[in-house]
Amino acid sequence: TQLLEQSPQFLSIQEGENLTVYCNSSSVFSSLQWYRQEPGEGPVLLVTVVTGGEVKKLKRLTFQFGDARKDSSLHITAAQPGDTGLYLCAGALIIDTGKLIFGQGTTLQVKP
Amino acid sequence: GAVVSQHPSRVICKSGTSVKIECRSLDFQATTMFWYRQFPKKSLMLMATSNEGSKATYEQGVEKDKFLINHASLTLSTLTVTSAHPEDSSFYICSARKKTAYGYTFGSGTRLTVV
Repeated sequence: TQLLEQSPQFLSIQEGENLTVYCNSSSVFSSLQWYRQEPGEGPVLLVTVVTGGEVKKLKRLTFQFGDARKDSSLHITAAQPGDTGLYLCAGALIIDTGKLIFGQGTTLQVKP
Repeated sequence: GAVVSQHPSRVICKSGTSVKIECRSLDFQATTMFWYRQFPKKSLMLMATSNEGSKATYEQGVEKDKFLINHASLTLSTLTVTSAHPEDSSFYICSARKKTAYGYTFGSGTRLTVV
């Protein structure tokens, strides 16, 4: 059973298109983080959201934390080939705040 | 700030031997470190939580006798893969958490190949 469901797992789009990645759970998280990972490297933190309903923007990336702190989304506007990579959501369970659980990941390919 | 150094980045070993991977927090104290395993094109799977000065907490299905974890200081945790077999080949990643922060910093990973 996957604690944090991330979708879609694969996404191939054209440059300039918009996309949204979702992470959903039945569990409540004290914080939720989004990472980007390049092949052969460790994940790099993009953003941390901690408050229900919180929205954070990072250039063309918009991150949202659900009101109940059980879900989150990542929206990319006008995707570029440089956005290609593996995107991972990860949540710290409110009942076990030290442990970070990852979603399945979304492999994004942006074609020029 | 918040840099985690992991090494080696790549290691090839023979079946039956043991391999030690180190994870160091360079500029902060990490009371808790985490070890993950990642298969190609897959997400990170938590193996164990390493707490300074105490025994590691392993996730269900992870063999504690095969994956030995030691967290001897506030800046160092080690993962030893004992009696390695080809199926242990994988990408292993550590993460460290500051005591009073939400942020988790990841090492650059170790590619283990058992031949």
